[in-house]
Amino acid sequence: GDSVTQMEGPVTLSEEAFLTINCTYTATGYPSLFWYVQYPGEGLQLLLKATKADDKGSNKGFEATYRKETTSFHLEKGSVQVSDSAVYFCALIGYSSASKIIFGSGTRLSIRP
Amino acid sequence: EAGVVQSPRYKIIEKKQPVAFWCNPISGHNTLYWYLQNLGQGPELLIRYENEEAVDDSQLPKDRFSAERLKGVDSTLKIQPAELGDSAVYLCASSDGGASTDTQYFGPGTRLTVL
Repeated sequence: GDSVTQMEGPVTLSEEAFLTINCTYTATGYPSLFWYVQYPGEGLQLLLKATKADDKGSNKGFEATYRKETTSFHLEKGSVQVSDSAVYFCALIGYSSASKIIFGSGTRLSIRP
Repeated sequence: EAGVVQSPRYKIIEKKQPVAFWCNPISGHNTLYWYLQNLGQGPELLIRYENEEAVDDSQLPKDRFSAERLKGVDSTLKIQPAELGDSAVYLCASSDGGASTDTQYFGPGTRLTVL
């Protein structure tokens, strides 16, 4: 079945460092891909999404490119801030899964001032 | 615009007791989802509603879990009786369509602790 694998955390970086959180997926056809973020004490929020190959999703300085050839959707940010500290979830909705989201296990990110 | 509202935010109960969670989706959103999130894991779908119809409840443990969305707006998820392993966060989400590209908006969740 469809699945998402993302790098394990926690990830700790200094402010202004470059961030990459790896995400790969397994799915038939062309799934839609998402990154969700969960700030402490809050619900999941959609960070960005891409719905077809080579699409780039972007929001709040974060970017991720839908790579069909490597089945990846890595999250990047050029300069992280303390306020980016949160748990990040990679997710997909498969072609055949009728809007059922499959989430990765999440990556906790902590940014040091 | 108000987001997805859930209550209570926290619930502590003894095992074998019943418990209910309530969700009010974003106004106008026809599709409502209940997810279970265990500690350190991503959410997993329990049930999806299109209006008042449950269109995917394949992951709902029907021996103890039930859900309803009688008027196609707010929804209740119930566990009876609760077990220790039910301790988790229960998330509600809504979207304005059922397409795979539609954004799902999540509530803050209800954290259940079963003692």
